[in-house]
Amino acid sequence: NAGVTQTPKFQVLKTGQSMTLQCAQDMNHEYMSWYRQDPGMGLRLIHYSVGAGITDQGEVPNGYNVSRSTTEDFPLRLLSAAPSQTSVYFCASSYSTEAREQYFGPGTRLTVT
Amino acid sequence: AQKVTQAQTEISVVEKEDVTLDCVYETRDTTYYLFWYKQPPSGELVFLIRRNSFDEQNEISGRYSWNFQKSTSSFNFTITASQVVDSAVYFCALSATNQAGTALIFGKGTTLSVSS
Repeated sequence: NAGVTQTPKFQVLKTGQSMTLQCAQDMNHEYMSWYRQDPGMGLRLIHYSVGAGITDQGEVPNGYNVSRSTTEDFPLRLLSAAPSQTSVYFCASSYSTEAREQYFGPGTRLTVT
Repeated sequence: AQKVTQAQTEISVVEKEDVTLDCVYETRDTTYYLFWYKQPPSGELVFLIRRNSFDEQNEISGRYSWNFQKSTSSFNFTITASQVVDSAVYFCALSATNQAGTALIFGKGTTLSVSS
């Protein structure tokens, strides 16, 4: 099992550009989520999904879109990047919607200039 | 409101010292889960422990131990005989139940530096 994979590892964008952060898991987990980590802020939930075709907003959803067409993939889209979106992004997955431990991907470090 | 507070921003110790990382949480849920994650300098997040609200037994795993006290809403983490490899950021997290399921609410983390 590869676990949770994220691509790219690093990305630099200019303000206004768009991009998609990829996340995939091979553990057949129903629950997937995206967090962002900012210095001194811990991790904050952006969006989550409890299964294919179902997504919902977390604590800081503005500026991000998600979709879940398959169980395995949960991409995060930035439609018009802003410097405030400079952060480290983590994707996580969990076996169920119950409070099981979430397995995190290695993270994507995004810089918006 | 659901919240996790890690009051210690940074802790520095010398190898072989014991160190305790504090975690205080707030929740109205009667059933909830608490977690600790480790983030070493390489950046990945490593799951350490999960504890549910009905199980107040302390847990020990090697040099690591956890003390869960509902009366004080605390879930503290102790590293005994610390080692340089323990240097990392440690996050305490609380499961938050929403309409569709659960997500994790993280504290802001405690940076532990262990010097030799």
